[in-house]
Amino acid sequence: SQQGEEDPQALSIQEGENATMNCSYKTSINNLQWYRQNSGRGLVHLILIRSNEREKHSGRLRVTLDTSKKSSSLLITASRAADTASYFCATDVGAGNNRKLIWGLGTSLGVNP
Amino acid sequence: EAGVAQSPRYKIIEKRQSVAFWCNPISGHATLYWYQQILGQGPKLLIQFQNNGVVDDSQLPKDRFSAERLKGVDSTLKIQPAKLEDSAVYLCASSFQIDNTEAFFGQGTRLTVV
Repeated sequence: SQQGEEDPQALSIQEGENATMNCSYKTSINNLQWYRQNSGRGLVHLILIRSNEREKHSGRLRVTLDTSKKSSSLLITASRAADTASYFCATDVGAGNNRKLIWGLGTSLGVNP
Repeated sequence: EAGVAQSPRYKIIEKRQSVAFWCNPISGHATLYWYQQILGQGPKLLIQFQNNGVVDDSQLPKDRFSAERLKGVDSTLKIQPAKLEDSAVYLCASSFQIDNTEAFFGQGTRLTVV
C-alpha cells in the first residue's frame, strides 16, 4: 500500500532556483526518509528525519517534518542540472519484525540549465 | 565499502519463460529487500528478509514468484512463469538491521517480458 504521497508529481525549474517537494502520510511513523533516483538507476538515500525532529539540513537539502499534519517537505536550494531526478519519500512504520518502509509515488524534478 | 550488487542488469524474456535475479547485499547487513518498480511508480516491496528468515512477503505473487536467502547473505528472486505485466525494474536493497531502515540499493535489473 502507498502511504506517502508526494506532490507535485512533476516539477520543472531553472538552474539556481529552489525546488520544494511535499510528502503526506497517514499513520504514525518512526522516521521519514527521502531518496533520489536518477533515470535507470537505483535509489540513493538523501536524508532521514526522526519523528521527534522538526527540521534537518544536509548540504543544499532541508527537510521539515510536521507530525501533527502528517507531512514533510524537501527543499533543494540553488538547484543544479545534476539534481534532475525522481525524489521519493519513504515512511518507516511499525515495530519489531513488522517494521518496514512504505514508499510514495515520487516527484519527478527537471532542472533546466 | 562495496555496495549492493545485482545481476543481470538487463533481461529480456518471452512470456511463460522463467527468470532469476541475484543480489549480494552490503557485508554485515542483516535485512534484505526485493522491490518491484514499474515505470513511473514508486518501489513496491515484494519480500523482506531478516537474515535468512522472511519477515514480510505479503505482496509477493506466490503463484509465480519465489525468493530465498539460504545462508543469510546473498539472495535470488525467481519468476516462473513470467507474464507481460512483470516487466519492471527489480531492485534489491539492504539495511544494517531491521530497526535501522536506511536502505542501500543496487542498480536494479530491468526485466522486459515480450
